[in-house]
Amino acid sequence: SQQGEEDPQALSIQEGENATMNCSYKTSINNLQWYRQNSGRGLVHLILIRSNEREKHSGRLRVTLDTSKKSSSLLITASRAADTASYFCATDAQNAGNMLTFGGGTRLMVKP
Amino acid sequence: EAGVAQSPRYKIIEKRQSVAFWCNPISGHATLYWYQQILGQGPKLLIQFQNNGVVDDSQLPKDRFSAERLKGVDSTLKIQPAKLEDSAVYLCASSLERLETQYFGPGTRLLVL
Repeated sequence: SQQGEEDPQALSIQEGENATMNCSYKTSINNLQWYRQNSGRGLVHLILIRSNEREKHSGRLRVTLDTSKKSSSLLITASRAADTASYFCATDAQNAGNMLTFGGGTRLMVKP
Repeated sequence: EAGVAQSPRYKIIEKRQSVAFWCNPISGHATLYWYQQILGQGPKLLIQFQNNGVVDDSQLPKDRFSAERLKGVDSTLKIQPAKLEDSAVYLCASSLERLETQYFGPGTRLLVL
């Protein structure tokens, strides 16, 4: 079963706009991670946020975590055509020993 | 630093045939993972190794899937016999230790006809 569920499943925006993706999960976690996957390629780690953190930034990426609501969001600011990809959240549940459970992903298309 | 290497990149087989995938993790990474990613879904963990020992294989269909990491470095994943529903991308990942960031290889795309 998938722990994380992303919303929306698909998102289409214009270059320069911001993109927001949400992830909800079910059980208590050690950390939550976001990955990007370009078509036909492997996953690239974007950012990790620990359960005691509420917000984290990396370049144009901003991740928030609300453990009371068991949810996270990924914001990509000033999007570029190269940001077109699928984005997955993955949770590392407590006592799971770094066994990540991935959601179904959000497919983002950024139009030039 | 070289990334995670996987081969082959693509494989087409008929159902009931056997297939094997190979993974070479990043040098020095103790933990190795195999994931299955069906089209349109997120990756699902099949098995996790710590050095040459299995940490978790609870989601590995053991009647047809097997994996080994004999010398604690590279690993092979085998399917025997393959079914149509095994069509997927098989991703290998490695991390320095169990609680560190995982780095993924490009995957092997399997099509079972």
